[in-house]
Amino acid sequence: DAGVIQSPRHEVTEMGQEVTLRCKPISGHNSLFWYRQTMMRGLELLIYFNNNVPIDDSGMPEDRFSAKMPNASFSTLKIQPSEPRDSAVYFCASRPDRENTEAFFGQGTRLTVV
Amino acid sequence: AQKVTQAQTEISVVEKEDVTLDCVYETRDTTYYLFWYKQPPSGELVFLIRRNSFDEQNEISGRYSWNFQKSTSSFNFTITASQVVDSAVYFCALSGNNQGGKLIFGQGTELSVKP
Repeated sequence: DAGVIQSPRHEVTEMGQEVTLRCKPISGHNSLFWYRQTMMRGLELLIYFNNNVPIDDSGMPEDRFSAKMPNASFSTLKIQPSEPRDSAVYFCASRPDRENTEAFFGQGTRLTVV
Repeated sequence: AQKVTQAQTEISVVEKEDVTLDCVYETRDTTYYLFWYKQPPSGELVFLIRRNSFDEQNEISGRYSWNFQKSTSSFNFTITASQVVDSAVYFCALSGNNQGGKLIFGQGTELSVKP
């Protein structure tokens, strides 16, 4: 299995631009998580899906952030417009069921907004 | 509400010392799962262990051991005879059966093992 695949691995963009991060979960996994990691705030859960349906998006910072999961094999996290404070590493993770197994993480996308 | 607290932000030890990383959690769920992950300098998150709330047996895997105590809501992680390669950030995480599968992490403990 290829594991959770995230793209791009690195993204540098200018403030105000739209940024789209992509994630392909492990085949057969039905839960997907988006996390943001910064030095100040640690590993924050932004949103998670179960069977392609958003279950909890209370961690999404503001309306500039949106996430979709159009099918079981693909999810996006979009920031529009981006701001320098959005600079962080964004991780996607998936797991096979709702709560009793470990989540498998992608390599992360390092986003820098200048 | 669920919460995971790792009070130790940074720990520095000398190689071969034993070190314990603390994790305290809060949940109202009767069934829940606890996890430890390792994040080495390369940045990926590596799963180490999972424990469910009904299994309080301590677990040992090589130099790693975990002590789960429901009475104190703690799930501590001990590395025996630490090595330089153990240098990483370690995260404790919690998932409860009434939270819809939400998986939350503590702030992490950065462990530095010096030769």
